Amino acid sequence: AQSVSQHNHHVILSEAASLELGCNYSYGGTVNLFWYVQYPGQHLQLLLKYFSGDPLVKGIKGFEAEFIKSKFSFNLRKPSVQWSDTAEYFCAVTTNTGNQFYFGTGTSLTVIP
Amino acid sequence: EAQVTQNPRYLITVTGKKLTVTCSQNMNHEYMSWYRQDPGLGLRQIYYSMNVEVTDKGDVPEGYKVSRKEKRNFPLILESPSPNQTSLYFCASSFTQAARGYTFGSGTRLTVV
Repeated sequence: AQSVSQHNHHVILSEAASLELGCNYSYGGTVNLFWYVQYPGQHLQLLLKYFSGDPLVKGIKGFEAEFIKSKFSFNLRKPSVQWSDTAEYFCAVTTNTGNQFYFGTGTSLTVIP
Repeated sequence: EAQVTQNPRYLITVTGKKLTVTCSQNMNHEYMSWYRQDPGLGLRQIYYSMNVEVTDKGDVPEGYKVSRKEKRNFPLILESPSPNQTSLYFCASSFTQAARGYTFGSGTRLTVV
């Protein structure tokens, strides 16, 4: 089975700091990659996704992620975080023909005003 | 509005009392899935359905049942709930398989005492 690793379990940043959350997956074939965000008390919402093409993907709210195939990574970045970015972030992977969606364990981000 | 609707949002029940959590989507999606979210474990797939009358087990199916009699509905059934099924449950759907990304419901917080 595939696995998805998010190495940062809890990140605390001050407003305006830069953010990078790591995501690594274990699958040698073609993958589709996603980042979801879960604000406190809410459901998961799609931040961005990668299927093919330009490995640098831009999503909503100023987030971006870079797919590095050789490193099996899909790290999430934001140049300057805001208090409203406080949330839990989940990386997820599936294959083009896959019937299952594999999530990482999540990274809790707290942004201090 | 395109959405996945789960009910109830909150449920407290006693061990052994059968319950059903409903899930309905209005996007004509073929693929639907149930996840449970637990601290430190992320989201784990319980069951999924690729179309009407087609269901399959995910990673943690024990203690759960599902049915897919209509395209829009995918209820989760706990025949005899136990305290270890206390969790936050999410229903999700997508057009075909999981590969293109999910739309999530708002979640059901279940407590089994």
